Amino acid sequence: EADIYQTPRYLVIGTGKKITLECSQTMGHDKMYWYQQDPGMELHLIHYSYGVNSTEKGDLSSESTVSRIRTEHFPLTLESARPSHTSQYLCASSEYGTGWRNTEAFFGQGTRLTVV
Amino acid sequence: RKEVEQDPGPFNVPEGATVAFNCTYSNSASQSFFWYRQDCRKEPKLLMSVYSSGNEDGRFTAQLNRASQYISLLIRDSKLSDSATYLCVVSLNYGGSQGNLIFGKGTKLSVKP
Repeated sequence: EADIYQTPRYLVIGTGKKITLECSQTMGHDKMYWYQQDPGMELHLIHYSYGVNSTEKGDLSSESTVSRIRTEHFPLTLESARPSHTSQYLCASSEYGTGWRNTEAFFGQGTRLTVV
Repeated sequence: RKEVEQDPGPFNVPEGATVAFNCTYSNSASQSFFWYRQDCRKEPKLLMSVYSSGNEDGRFTAQLNRASQYISLLIRDSKLSDSATYLCVVSLNYGGSQGNLIFGKGTKLSVKP
């Protein structure tokens, strides 16, 4: 089993609230990611990080922000939640492999966010 | 055009059947290829990497055709437990550095008794 954890698993929150989705991994992986996935749809990369103090925006524009102060921790924050943010958010991590070959990405169990 | 395209599915097959999934990718700079499996309301997990020469893992065989930019996954002797969504995943090579993983929409497989 992968050692990557997300909390909360489920969150229902009112419009306008600030929320932080937590993601932690104990594998010492440098690279971490946040994906967004709507039911029956593909995963979209919204943020990633190569290591401490590194954060980059992904392919899908998102109003969320991330931080990477510690290797093991990669939280995602929404300053003001809206119904359009309702989705599943998946955190993942991987080793930063040598050369060009990618290594396996391990996913957390996800946070299902509903904004009402 | 989407970067990674897969068969739309769903595939409904009886136990013991052989089923093949296809995937095409648009960027010829893609360098790493994978099949991930995602169970209903669960996170994706790596099923197998795909190597240029093709590779096999038990009942699962993956093939890569770089010229046609095409990846396939063959599942032999399907089991009920194979029911899941199968995600085709590629990544680009940016000047020798790892690119991010790009996921296809997935193909849903349902194996019936």
